[in-house]
Amino acid sequence: QLQLQESGPGLVKPSETLSLTCSLSGDSVTNSNFYWGWMRQPPGKGLEWIGKIDYSGGTQYNPSLRGRATISRDTSKNHFSLRLTSVTAADTAVYHCARGHDFWPYHMDVWGRGTTVTVSS
Amino acid sequence: DMQMTQSPSSLSASVGDRVTITCRASEAISTYLNWYQQKPGKAPNLLIYAASSLQIGVPSRFSGSGSGTDFTLTISSLQPEDFATYFCQQGYITPYTFGQGTKLDIK
Repeated sequence: QLQLQESGPGLVKPSETLSLTCSLSGDSVTNSNFYWGWMRQPPGKGLEWIGKIDYSGGTQYNPSLRGRATISRDTSKNHFSLRLTSVTAADTAVYHCARGHDFWPYHMDVWGRGTTVTVSS
Repeated sequence: DMQMTQSPSSLSASVGDRVTITCRASEAISTYLNWYQQKPGKAPNLLIYAASSLQIGVPSRFSGSGSGTDFTLTISSLQPEDFATYFCQQGYITPYTFGQGTKLDIK
């Protein structure tokens, strides 16, 4: 059974880079049926899709992040990562990783519990 | 971006009640619509995909319907474990977008 676990610093200073990792057990980041995505939920707000990486390493991002996000993968460690540069308080959120089906209707069937990231000096 | 509007934003109901939550897309999305349940501190859980297909392991009291712009999630008889937040998500076009959520609590 697939499990996803987010990890990374819980506190990041303004203007610095947020780095998170999602570790997989029970599947592979090179599985061609799926994409691997990141979402976030700021306090008191709804979910926001950050982006995804597919089995070949192809990526797509939410334009709202203005090029600050990078999703990568490490096939040897079977994990994928999120980097978000130049963070501000608005990036404070619970960050979730998830597995998505890379075909209609692009649903996400397994999610991590999420990790809280606070941006503060 | 595709806007997803859920209603109501909160709902109070009793065990055994029938509950319906709606989700409206700003443009037609065929059946690229998915529903999730989330409890505090837990991972979101996929309930319904492709508007009306029940995810494996999800109780049959959950059902979904709709296509185009208007969708519904129905819980036929609320159970205590169903009190949670529900949200819809469109997979029609990136950036994928979510409804703002419907918090279902006990009356």
